[in-house]
Amino acid sequence: EAGVTQSPTHLIKTRGQQATLRCSPISGHTSVYWYQQALGLGLQFLLWYDEGEERNRGNFPPRFSGRQFPNYSSELNVNALELEDSALYLCASSLGMVNQPQHFGDGTRLSIL
Amino acid sequence: KNQVEQSPQSLIILEGKNCTLQCNYTVSPFSNLRWYKQDTGRGPVSLTIMTFSENTKSNGRYTATLDADTKQSSLHITASQLSDSASYICVVRVGGSQGNLIFGKGTKLSVKP
Repeated sequence: EAGVTQSPTHLIKTRGQQATLRCSPISGHTSVYWYQQALGLGLQFLLWYDEGEERNRGNFPPRFSGRQFPNYSSELNVNALELEDSALYLCASSLGMVNQPQHFGDGTRLSIL
Repeated sequence: KNQVEQSPQSLIILEGKNCTLQCNYTVSPFSNLRWYKQDTGRGPVSLTIMTFSENTKSNGRYTATLDADTKQSSLHITASQLSDSASYICVVRVGGSQGNLIFGKGTKLSVKP
C-alpha cells in the first residue's frame, strides 16, 4: 500500500510569489490535513479537508488556502509569499475517525529567498 | 490556552540503555493523546494513540503511559537502538467535531554507540 505522497520535495520561491503544494492520501482515506513545521517550532495545524469540504483551519492568514479534489488528493496554495513562510509543509491523511492515526508524507520543503 | 509541553528538549543516551520522555498538557476537552516518531527529513510516524480510559499502551520497545488526572504522559523506550535517534512528538487531540491536534515541540533523542 502506497503511503502519503507529496510533491514537490523542495520548492524555492521569492517573496511575493505564489506556491502550490500537492498531496496524495493513502487509498481509502478521505481526510487530508496540512501542517507547517518551521525550524525549531512544533507542527502548526493549517487546514483539514474531508470529503471535499474544508472542515477546519488553523490560525493562519487567508493567503493560505487549499482544496480537496474528488479523488481526495489535495492542494495547498500560499499566495504573496513572505520570508517567514519558509518551512516544511507536511500533509497527513486518515480515515477520519476520532481515534485513527494520521499518516504523514515526508513533506515539501519551501524556501523563500 | 491549549498547550502541550515536552521535556527534556533533547537527550543523549548510550545504545542499549532505557529512557523516558515526558509530556504535560493543558488541553480541554481531551479526546486522545498520541506519540509520534519523526526521523530527520521525514514525516512523523504514529507510535501510539491513547484515549482517556487507557493508562498504558505498548508498541514493541515503546511504552506510553497516560495519567488523565494529572494530565501527564510518558514514553518509555527500552533497550535503545541507534535507529531510535529521532524527534519524539507528543500530540493531544481536542475533543469535539473539529478535533484540532495540539503538537508539542518534541524531544530530540540521540542514541550513541
